Amino acid sequence: DQQVKQNSPSLSVQEGRISILNCDYTNSMFDYFLWYKKYPAEGPTFLISISSIKDKNEDGRFTVFLNKSAKHLSLHIVPSQPGDSAVYFCAASVGADGLTFGKGTHLIIQP
Amino acid sequence: GAVVSQHPSWVICKSGTSVKIECRSLDFQATTMFWYRQFPKQSLMLMATSNEGSKATYEQGVEKDKFLINHASLTLSTLTVTSAHPEDSSFYICSASSPGLASYEQYFGPGTRLTVT
Repeated sequence: DQQVKQNSPSLSVQEGRISILNCDYTNSMFDYFLWYKKYPAEGPTFLISISSIKDKNEDGRFTVFLNKSAKHLSLHIVPSQPGDSAVYFCAASVGADGLTFGKGTHLIIQP
Repeated sequence: GAVVSQHPSWVICKSGTSVKIECRSLDFQATTMFWYRQFPKQSLMLMATSNEGSKATYEQGVEKDKFLINHASLTLSTLTVTSAHPEDSSFYICSASSPGLASYEQYFGPGTRLTVT
């Protein structure tokens, strides 16, 4: 049973436009949500996080939105840049426990 | 800040041998370290959680006698894959967290590619 789901295996966006990556979860105990960027054969790089008491967190070009009632979160990247091309993982945790990851979305930024 | 290293970055071993992977937090003290495994085109799966000075907590389905974890100091955790078999071939990644950082944020090492022949 997958508790964190990223239903889009890939997403193609034109450079300069907005990239929106989506994530759904089923475990209502999750209280922290994180987004990681990953290249093949490398460890994930932390991007941004949000706690369940908030509905939005912004850091530069990255904004994460959380809709608790829908058990849905999204990562917005504006404007998208070629260097943003990578696999993006959504992850969730209960407190400081280990992370539960989604399967990832491969973001491709087209020039 | 929050840099985590792993050694080795890749290793090839013969079936039946043991392999040790080191995970170090370079610029912070990691009270908790986590070990994950990623199979090709799959997500990262949590294997175990280790706290400095205490026994590791393993996720369901992970054999604790096969994957030995030691967290002897606040900057070092090791994962030993004992009697490795080809099905243990995977990408092993550690992460670390600290009360000095946001406690739920984890910082990952670069990973170790293990191939068992």
